[in-house]
Amino acid sequence: EAQVTQNPRYLITVTGKKLTVTCSQNMNHEYMSWYRQDPGLGLRQIYYSMNVEVTDKGDVPEGYKVSRKEKRNFPLILESPSPNQTSLYFCASRLTADRYGYTFGSGTRLTVV
Amino acid sequence: SQQGEEDPQALSIQEGENATMNCSYKTSINNLQWYRQNSGRGLVHLILIRSNEREKHSGRLRVTLDTSKKSSSLLITASRAADTASYFCATDASGGGADGLTFGKGTHLIIQP
Repeated sequence: EAQVTQNPRYLITVTGKKLTVTCSQNMNHEYMSWYRQDPGLGLRQIYYSMNVEVTDKGDVPEGYKVSRKEKRNFPLILESPSPNQTSLYFCASRLTADRYGYTFGSGTRLTVV
Repeated sequence: SQQGEEDPQALSIQEGENATMNCSYKTSINNLQWYRQNSGRGLVHLILIRSNEREKHSGRLRVTLDTSKKSSSLLITASRAADTASYFCATDASGGGADGLTFGKGTHLIIQP
């Protein structure tokens, strides 16, 4: 089944403790993105990647890192999480930009205390 | 940066009625997309309409695009309880390798049985 898989589904952590949210897609898509969704603010793009080893900042990249060492994987790294990063995070992929929509993962609900 | 703005923010109708949601945007786009999100779940891509198209159908969905007014509408005909969800428009201004997909804040649709 074609899908985007992200883990974990739920995560509670403490301020400053490094964490990684994994994302994998099995559709050979070139583009992958991370979004965060907050009440009243909608979905905002954190980072995206056009292909292996090529990434770029979205609208809200501060406090996040990403890497794209393999085409299928696009992990999101929070090196020193803070409470304002408490949010619902989505990974998504699409074949190319400008003519295809995104396939989304099921989401990761992160709470930083 | 948020480009698409949906209207209304919330809509409640009776099962069997038609539901119409609107989206306005500000800059040139390659295409416009509509997504559905059930509470707390990942977004599901519904339909994509290119900038040179005026209308598109998919099952009970009808999307129109007016590039001169920079607006789009999503019509769901013969609504069902299962259509209860949030609906997002996303404008795609991707080009030159950059990912330019930007989401609005959504319309929350409730179908009363």
